Amino acid sequence: DAGVIQSPRHEVTEMGQEVTLRCKPISGHDYLFWYRQTMMRGLELLIYFNNNVPIDDSGMPEDRFSAKMPNASFSTLKIQPSEPRDSAVYFCASSPRTGGPLTEAFFGQGTRLTVV
Amino acid sequence: QQPVQSPQAVILREGEDAVINCSSSKALYSVHWYRQKHGEAPVFLMILLKGGEQKGHEKISASFNEKKQQSSLYLTASQLSYSGTYFCGTETTVGNEKLTFGTGTRLTIIP
Repeated sequence: DAGVIQSPRHEVTEMGQEVTLRCKPISGHDYLFWYRQTMMRGLELLIYFNNNVPIDDSGMPEDRFSAKMPNASFSTLKIQPSEPRDSAVYFCASSPRTGGPLTEAFFGQGTRLTVV
Repeated sequence: QQPVQSPQAVILREGEDAVINCSSSKALYSVHWYRQKHGEAPVFLMILLKGGEQKGHEKISASFNEKKQQSSLYLTASQLSYSGTYFCGTETTVGNEKLTFGTGTRLTIIP
């Protein structure tokens, strides 16, 4: 497997524009996580899915953020409208199901978002 | 609830040892350790589940205290390749698969 694939790797957009980040998890993994990383706040969990169902979105900053997982091989994180404070690296990660505690989370290479 | 990591940063000479701590105000279900090199994605190191557990190998190991509220990562005889930011991630309850990361510890190894 090629690992978790995120696109685009870099995105520069103007304030007010819509931004869509994409993620393809590792095949067979049941859990998908979206994280945001900044210098000030570190790695923040935004939302996670189990079997394509959103389980906890309490980390989503506000209504401008939304995430979907229409099938087991694809997820999107959308920001509309974008603001300069959304600038960060956004990581997607997936993890296999164990029936117990989480095991290793495999991270994608991230999308570096810059909102000007 | 975000775990607390300390120290925030440390600089070592090659061959020296380091300890990174991760603590929570509540008992944890599990604790995970990851390392992230600059410009790259975090990479899994190990997971600890049981109070009193110690695991890892000779150079990089970790412990989980009996109360399951604190974990430490031990880096022995550090190498240049150990440089990066180390994160602990914690699960707080059984069945809640929410992995929350600490703010990280930046480790710099100099020759």
